Amino acid sequence: QVQLQESGPGLVKPSETLSLTCAVSGYSISSGYYWGWIRQPPGKGLEWIGSIYHSGSTYYNPSLKSRVTISVDTSKNQFSLKLSSVTAADTAVYYCAREVVNFDYWGQGTLVTVSS
Amino acid sequence: AIQMTQSPSSLSASVGDRVTITCRASQGIRNDLGWYQQKPGKAPKLLIYAASSLQSGVPSRFSGSGSGTDFTLTISSLQPEDFATYYCLQDYNYPLTFGQGTKVEIK
Repeated sequence: QVQLQESGPGLVKPSETLSLTCAVSGYSISSGYYWGWIRQPPGKGLEWIGSIYHSGSTYYNPSLKSRVTISVDTSKNQFSLKLSSVTAADTAVYYCAREVVNFDYWGQGTLVTVSS
Repeated sequence: AIQMTQSPSSLSASVGDRVTITCRASQGIRNDLGWYQQKPGKAPKLLIYAASSLQSGVPSRFSGSGSGTDFTLTISSLQPEDFATYYCLQDYNYPLTFGQGTKVEIK
């Protein structure tokens, strides 16, 4: 069974960098597929942040592209998200997910609050 | 970016009702569309992929149809556990875009 688990700080100060990691079990990232990050501000809808292939090629949401970096570590079977210069508008639940045809497996999500 | 317009934004229905939610793409996306169910405090769950293919383990009362720009999610007989928010997602091209969501509430 494929499982994904997000981890990282739950509180980030404004202007700093949000960093999250998604650990994958039950499937080797090296075997293929894209792996994505999605976020959901409290009480709002879902927003795709970006996706990465096991080879490292990436796609980003243009609205966040200047601040986002997604990377993959196949040796640890995990991928990561960095979002720089955060503001209160980046407060959200952040999900990682496997992208096959649409997103078929999701992590449980982690709430990141941007506040001083 | 492709815009996904989902309607209605909310609806009230009773157990046993037939429920239909629609999603319209701003340009043709073939059948590259999925439907998700999300309950409070939980991650979204994939129900339908490729517009009409039922994800493994999803009850057959859920069905999807459409191609091009217009898509529909139908719940043939609403059950108590189906009260949730539903989203569409186009995966035709990047950036991937979600619909705004439809909240299905108890009447």
